[in-house]
Parts: sequence; structure tokens; C-alpha cells
Amino acid sequence: EAQVTQNPRYLITVTGKKLTVTCSQNMNHEYMSWYRQDPGLGLRQIYYSMNVEVTDKGDVPEGYKVSRKEKRNFPLILESPSPNQTSLYFCASSPTGRHEQYFGPGTRLTVT
Amino acid sequence: AQSVTQPDIHITVSEGASLELRCNYSYGATPYLFWYVQSPGQGLQLLLKYFSGDTLVQGIKGFEAEFKRSQSSFNLRKPSVHWSDAAEYFCAVAPYNNNDMRFGAGTRLTVKP
Repeated sequence: EAQVTQNPRYLITVTGKKLTVTCSQNMNHEYMSWYRQDPGLGLRQIYYSMNVEVTDKGDVPEGYKVSRKEKRNFPLILESPSPNQTSLYFCASSPTGRHEQYFGPGTRLTVT
Repeated sequence: AQSVTQPDIHITVSEGASLELRCNYSYGATPYLFWYVQSPGQGLQLLLKYFSGDTLVQGIKGFEAEFKRSQSSFNLRKPSVHWSDAAEYFCAVAPYNNNDMRFGAGTRLTVKP
């Protein structure tokens, strides 16, 4: 089944403790991206990747890192999480950035 | 500046009534256009998309959208809303000369019995 998977689905952590949210797609898509969703703000793009080893900042990249060493994986790294990063995070993939995106189920992160 | 606007934050309609959700964009050229739906606690699902051609596009779940170049709009419609349509709806655009997609802030739909 074609899908985007994210892990974990739920995470509660403390300020400053490094964490990684994994994202994997099995559709051989070149484009992958990360979004955060906050009430009243919709989805805001954090980072995106056009292909392996090619990443670029979205609208809200501060406090986040990404890497794209393999086509299928695009992990999101929070090196020192802060409470303002409490949010719902979505990973997505697409054949290219101009096709429809396929979304993962979301990761709800709480930073205390 | 490039932007996507969904003017209505929250809309309430009665079951069986018609629905129109508005989406306007500001870009230099005609972008690719999408509508997504997010049911409570779920991820986003594509409802429909417009790349080119016929400006009235049909999607899943009985939804349709019309692209109007002169108004830079891509409004979503459904003739008769069902209670299961209660969700949040996002308009998205992918600019022709760029490769990243932008989302509107979303419209939350409530359906009254």
C-alpha cells in the first residue's frame, strides 16, 4: 500500500531534550516536506526536499533540522525543543513539488 | 507577495444545504491548485486538483471546484452537505515557477442536523 508513515504518532518531551520524528514514503517520490499545524494558522511549511541531499527552508525553519540521505526517508530533528514547538506535525511526499502531496498521519508533539 | 487566502475561518451549514468554500490566491502566473480535507484527528486527504484544461473539476465525495482566472479564485462547492462532511478544508497552491506548495489557513465546516 502506498503510504507515508511517521513515528512516533504522539510524543511528550521536556525542553532541551533532542528528538527525531521519522518520516518514510514508499512511493519513490522525489519531493518531501514537513509542516506544522497550529490552530488558526493552518499548515506552515518547515523544510522541504526536492531530492536526496537537497533540502531548503520553508516558512518556519527556526529550531528544526532535516536531512535527506535516502530518497524514502526525511527525518525532522529538534535539537533543543522548546514549548513553542508544541504542535501537530505532518510529513508529506509528492512526485514533484507541483503535484498533489500525500500526507502522513501526523505526530502530535508536546514540549513541557 | 505570494499568498493563499481562505476568507472564512468557520462556516456552519445545515445538512442537505449547499456549500461553497472560498479560496483566493496571489501569484504571478496560474499555479496548480488543490483542495484538501482534514477530518477530526486525521491527516489530510486530497479532494480535487486543477492543473489545466476544464476549469470545473470534479473530486471525491461529491465535491467540485471552479477555477476563475479573472478572480484568482478556486472555490470549492458541494450541492448537498452530509453530516460526515464536517471537517477542516484547506486550499493549496503550487506556483508554476516554484516547487513548494503553500496552504491557506483553512476553513472549519460545521454541519447542523
